[in-house]
Order: sequence, then C-alpha cells, then structure tokens
Amino acid sequence: QVQLQQSGPGLVKPSQTLSLTCAISGDSVSSNSAAWNWIRQSPSRGLEWLGRTYYRSRWYNDYAISVKSRITINPDTSKNQFSLQLNSVTPEDTAVYYCARAKAVAGTKYFYYGMDVWGQGTTVTVSS
Amino acid sequence: QSVLTQPPSVSGAPGQRVTISCTGSSSNIGAAYDVHWYQQLPGTAPKLLIYGNSNRPSGVPDRFSGSKSGTSASLAITGLQAEDEADYYCQSYDSSLSGYVFGTGTKVTVL
Repeated sequence: QVQLQQSGPGLVKPSQTLSLTCAISGDSVSSNSAAWNWIRQSPSRGLEWLGRTYYRSRWYNDYAISVKSRITINPDTSKNQFSLQLNSVTPEDTAVYYCARAKAVAGTKYFYYGMDVWGQGTTVTVSS
Repeated sequence: QSVLTQPPSVSGAPGQRVTISCTGSSSNIGAAYDVHWYQQLPGTAPKLLIYGNSNRPSGVPDRFSGSKSGTSASLAITGLQAEDEADYYCQSYDSSLSGYVFGTGTKVTVL
C-alpha cells in the first residue's frame, strides 16, 4: 500500500521560504509510472496544482505558471522522498499543502489514472 | 482562478440521483484531456473517485459514474446516501497553462 507522509513547518514568515517534504512508502520516487505532485488548497484559490517531478530516463519538472518564478520541487532518491520549496512567500500563500502521486501508463507521460494517493496535508500559515 | 466551473452546491434526498457538471474549454476538456473526479470529506485530503473520465478505482461504489462530452464532464451519484455528503472536484490538464487544473468544487448535501 502506497503512503505519503508530509513534514515541515506550519508557520513561515513573509518573504521567507516555505519548505515541505513528502516521504514515499510502497513506491519509488524514481518510478517510471508515477509523477509526484504538490497541490495546495485555500478558501480564496480552491485547489491549485503547484508542480510535479517525475523520472522517465531523466528527471522532469513542471510548474504552474502562477508560481513558476518562486518554486522548486526536488526528488531525493536516497531517502525516497520529494520536496517543495516556495520562495518569497506572502500571506496569499497561506493554505493547506498536499503532496500526491499521479499514476501513469508505465513508461509514458500519460497520466491516465489520476492522483490516486495523497498525503495527509500540512496547514501552512504565512505570518510575521 | 479555476478554469473548470462547477455548480457551488447540489442536494438530494436519500436514494435520489444527483449530477455535478464540470465545464471547461477547448484548451482542457475540449482538447480531449482526461477528467478525474475527487471526493473530499471535511478535514481530509481529496480521494480519487473517477479516473480517465469514467473509470472507478477499486473500492469506489458503482453508485458513482463519470462521463465526458465536448468541453464538459459530469459526475453522477445514484442512490444517494448520507455518507456521500462531501465536496467534489473535477480535474484535468490545460494546454494553455501547461499544467493540471481543478474545478471550483461542488458541495453535495443529502437532505
């Protein structure tokens, strides 16, 4: 059974960097049939996809246009986890952050099976 | 901010059928990208309900069904039960945004 366990601080000061980690059990961050995503949810913005990382002979990263200049998602194969870094945060970045697996047809970038496993969510507040 | 539009709320009595629409455009649903549906109970993470427009993951009751046509998709719940009271979201890919997009969300109330 695949599980995702999130960790990271719940309070970040404005202008600083938000950092979260998602530890994977039951699958591999290097899987050729998955992508590893970060999504956030707030009352004002609803569910918002932030970006993903995945491996298909090499590493790929895709980011939402809305955060592209501030975001980095990194895989860590030694710990079988991936991380989110969001720079220069403002109160608008206050949200519940989720990591999630998107399942693909093996060896392809066709994510036919949706986001089938989610982390428990981390409430992040941006405030001084 | 969402590019997929859903009705804010739908309601029905136990046993009834309700449908939730998800309206997109030519850069997402209309471009033949798959639509997935998620159920979110209060205080929990979204749970995959339908993938690939009309497929149910193992363990999801067959009371839930999905369909897609043109630039829209729909989720139907037949034989509505009290436990179905939750928020429901559609999700697809948008080529103009080069990323995943979610619907605005629909709250289902069982009367």
